[in-house]
Amino acid sequence: QQPVQSPQAVILREGEDAVINCSSSKALYSVHWYRQKHGEAPVFLMILLKGGEQKGHEKISASFNEKKQQSSLYLTASQLSYSGTYFCGTEMSLVHDMRFGAGTRLTVKP
Amino acid sequence: DTAVSQTPKYLVTQMGNDKSIKCEQNLGHDTMYWYKQDSKKFLKIMFSYNNKELIINETVPNRFSPKSPDKAHLNLHINSLELGDSAVYFCASSQVGEGHSPLHFGNGTRLTVT
Repeated sequence: QQPVQSPQAVILREGEDAVINCSSSKALYSVHWYRQKHGEAPVFLMILLKGGEQKGHEKISASFNEKKQQSSLYLTASQLSYSGTYFCGTEMSLVHDMRFGAGTRLTVKP
Repeated sequence: DTAVSQTPKYLVTQMGNDKSIKCEQNLGHDTMYWYKQDSKKFLKIMFSYNNKELIINETVPNRFSPKSPDKAHLNLHINSLELGDSAVYFCASSQVGEGHSPLHFGNGTRLTVT
């Protein structure tokens, strides 16, 4: 039931772009994206609900393709502060059951 | 104001002992969760409670017993601790309804069983 995330790890230089993918074999109600820095708790980035929307906040945006049950997180012009592990979390219904992917470790170097 | 607080932050104990982790949220959320994050960073749901009612119990050994005295608190008691229980345990809360709210995580409790 856990979503599948790819890639497992990404190394970027400052200013480069990255895409992180999340897919599910089951129909999804919502997709959440979180970022976790080393030794800290995961922090919410954004939610996408079924309906195929796209959301964005400054240089981080995401899309949700309901037909394919896939979501992608786009990081443009990456900054050092973007480093961390990114998790997608998925819900299949209104049941309180958030499942997380295995995470994508993003490292941004100067 | 801390939104989701859990104590203790670190817990070091020996195999066979019993320990508890406490969690409180002041966000007025109706749903609380326990997640276990292992050494490979995998976040696995253990339990979820909605308004003090157990909703999800994800094939967790009976040694783990959650208790929710009210909707702002969700504690986790672990009996007969084993080496494999070593992990970071995160409490989280959300307001479940139309549109779904994000999960707000506590800072985690790092449990080390020796």
